[in-house]
Amino acid sequence: EVQLVQSGGGLVQPGGSLRLSCAASGFTVSDSYMSWVRQAPGKGLEWVSVIYPDGSTYYADSVKGRVAISRDNSKNTVYLQMNSLRVEDTAVYYCARDAPGPDIYWGQGTLVTVSS
Amino acid sequence: IPLTQSPSSLSASVGDRVTITCRASQGISSYLAWFQQKPGKAPKLLIYAASSLQSGVPSRFSGSGSGTDFTLTISSLQPEDFATYYCQQLNSYPQTFGQGTKVEIK
Repeated sequence: EVQLVQSGGGLVQPGGSLRLSCAASGFTVSDSYMSWVRQAPGKGLEWVSVIYPDGSTYYADSVKGRVAISRDNSKNTVYLQMNSLRVEDTAVYYCARDAPGPDIYWGQGTLVTVSS
Repeated sequence: IPLTQSPSSLSASVGDRVTITCRASQGISSYLAWFQQKPGKAPKLLIYAASSLQSGVPSRFSGSGSGTDFTLTISSLQPEDFATYYCQQLNSYPQTFGQGTKVEIK
């Protein structure tokens, strides 16, 4: 069974850091395009970052320079390191496997709250 | 690639036929997916490749279109279909999503 299990969210002060994890089972993250998508309270979906199978990474302008996506192939896990967090980064963060076909999977989401 | 989804909300009754549209600012071939999201839950894939029904999704859901214009249709709305629906383009990064359509009970 394919699963994406997320962890690492929580409450952090503005300017702080947080690392989100997304552990995959049932497929190999290093063979996949893996994205992070976020959803601010009461708002729509916003793409944040992607890591390609070849290791290339890309970021939304709203987080560029503050966020880093990575993966650990031995753990079949993708990470999102978030630094210099702002109040406007408050959102539920989802990891997702991107695919043109039916193999699109999303994690359960993890809440990040940036507040003093 | 901005996606314009309409309407932003609609009220409908059980049994109604519902149509939601998604327009891309440039051609995205058939690299479009539709999701359903209920409060407090992760989005659920309904349609991939513009018109292919995800396994396990009821056949009352259907998708059509290619290029820039796409449609999600619910042929006979059921109580469990009241939710918010999003389109997503996977043609290129940055991925983009439509603004969402909230389907409410009339």
